[in-house]
Amino acid sequence: AQKITQTQPGMFVQEKEAVTLDCTYDTSDPSYGLFWYKQPSSGEMIFLIYQGSYDQQNATEGRYSLNFQKARKSANLVISASQLGDSAMYFCAMREPGSNDYKLSFGAGTTVTVRA
Amino acid sequence: DAGVTQSPTHLIKTRGQQVTLRCSPISGHKSVSWYQQVLGQGPQFIFQYYEKEERGRGNFPDRFSARQFPNYSSELNVNALLLGDSALYLCASSLVRGAGNEKLFFGSGTQLSVL
Repeated sequence: AQKITQTQPGMFVQEKEAVTLDCTYDTSDPSYGLFWYKQPSSGEMIFLIYQGSYDQQNATEGRYSLNFQKARKSANLVISASQLGDSAMYFCAMREPGSNDYKLSFGAGTTVTVRA
Repeated sequence: DAGVTQSPTHLIKTRGQQVTLRCSPISGHKSVSWYQQVLGQGPQFIFQYYEKEERGRGNFPDRFSARQFPNYSSELNVNALLLGDSALYLCASSLVRGAGNEKLFFGSGTQLSVL
């Protein structure tokens, strides 16, 4: 079963505007972690932000913030003041501590294109 | 400090051949994980190695194997290549096992094309 769902295959955003990328997840474990990664055309996955299931506040990292709604099992990424360099693929991922390998399960990703 | 380095960056093989991909983790990182990313999809977990032992394996056939060396670098081997093995292979390292909020640091990947 799909553990991470990203329903937006592609999005366009105007430079300097904010964009929200959707992510829903599925787990029965009360303890888990949610990550967002950015993948530019170079291929490297770049860590953006982390949210733990027990964290009381929504995570923020510079222009990135996470809208964490635990009851809805959603963890949407908000990018404020978009820049041309933000054009990339964005992946939501989950780590379930119940697994011995601490692997990340990724969604299918959302392509963001920032227009000047 | 150098990030995660992978070699080669690109590789073209034919069906039935064997391939070896290499990864050097960030200095001081003891865990290496391998992921396969097929075009248009998110990465899929293949293996995790920590302290030179296999600690996890994803849903991949036995044609896929890996190992970690005393210097914590790693190799991923794929035998009897199939067309469906064409993908970007990503290596990720972490300081320890990658539990909790510990993030993975990824390399730029090896793009494997099987003809």
